This record gives sequence, C-alpha cells and structure tokens, in this order.
Amino acid sequence: QKEVEQNSGPLSVPEGAIASLNCTYSDRGSQSFFWYRQYSGKSPELIMFIYSNGDKEDGRFTAQLNKASQYVSLLIRDSQPSDSATYLCAVITSGTYKYIFGTGTRLKVLA
Amino acid sequence: DAEITQSPRHKITETGRQVTLACHQTWNHNNMFWYRQDLGHGLRLIHYSYGVHDTNKGEVSDGYSVSRSNTEDLPLTLESAASSQTSVYFCASSRNSGPQADTQYFGPGTRLTVL
Repeated sequence: QKEVEQNSGPLSVPEGAIASLNCTYSDRGSQSFFWYRQYSGKSPELIMFIYSNGDKEDGRFTAQLNKASQYVSLLIRDSQPSDSATYLCAVITSGTYKYIFGTGTRLKVLA
Repeated sequence: DAEITQSPRHKITETGRQVTLACHQTWNHNNMFWYRQDLGHGLRLIHYSYGVHDTNKGEVSDGYSVSRSNTEDLPLTLESAASSQTSVYFCASSRNSGPQADTQYFGPGTRLTVL
C-alpha cells in the first residue's frame, strides 16, 4: 500500500461546477496535510494546509480532513479553466516528519 | 522578496559525467530538500537537510550526494550520471520540521537529460 494515494485522473468537470479531489494516507499518526497545485512544466505551489479534523475554507477552496478514515479532500467551487492542473496531496509522516507526496490528480475544467 | 532559485534550469550531460545542480534560498529556512519528479512516480525525496552540516538520505538517494555548508545553499551532485537519472529536479525549503511542519516552498526546477 502506498503511503499517500490519489486517483491519477483526469478528472473532468464543467466550468462553474464543484471539483472534488481525494487523497488517502496510511500513517495514522500523521498530523499535517497539504494540497499543492502544479501547472504543466511548473513547480508545485501551495493551495492550503490543514491540521485539524473538519473543514477549512479559503476562497473557492475547501480542505476536508477525516483522521479516523484517513482521508483528506480538496473541493474547488466555481471551477475555472485556469484551475486545470495537477493537484498534489502531501502528508507529514509521524516519527520522521518527512513530506510524502501522492502522485497527483490531473484536473481538467471544461469551458 | 525572499525566494528559492535553481540553476541551471536545463542541463544535458553524458553518462558517467559528474553533475552538480545548485539550489539557493533567501528565506533563511533551516530545512532544504531535493526531489525528483517522474511520470507515474510523483515527487520522490532524494536528500534533505535540517540545518548546516546536517544531511539525510531520502527514498531514492543512490547515486546522489549533498552537502550543506551554509543556510542558503544545498547543491545536489550526481557522482556519475546515468540515463535513469534523467528527470526534473526540484529543490524545496521550509522553516521548521515536526508533526505540524511549515509549508515547503519549491524552486522552479531543473530539467536534466542524461544521454
């Protein structure tokens, strides 16, 4: 089992819809979770982080964390074509405190 | 503005040559990291450092080395380049580590081709 798993996609949504991206992790002791966006040919850039169970909202983005079920998700409301990118989930492992990245989900927002 | 830079941005080399990729950050971050990114594998950690003179191996460290002589720089050296090391390399930095670690900030990447 991979430490951090994401569906590779592509996930296609129409413009204006809600895009839902999911990530599961294996280390039950993990406490920090990050979502990065990566455009083709560019470096990853942080969208948001979440430490506590529940929802965290930042503009059109909402991160959801459920530690009991070991998943973290990212919702993008009112999706725009400019949101088309690969979204990387990252988890800080317990003990070594290293970042472990998922392989990313490619999102395509159709105009 | 503080930033993290990498050089060169593109490099073509031959099998067996030694190659050094530079990473420089002006945030005064303690932690620095090197990743490689390949299709189907995502970002994989090569080496990391939690401070000056501290270096640690990541999951794919064979054939790579780093040294940290100051806070700002963490050069990555490929001792004898192999075609399997053709990849995009990203350097990243963060202020601290721990269970609720700070965000990692990434450099622009170096595309390395080994012929």
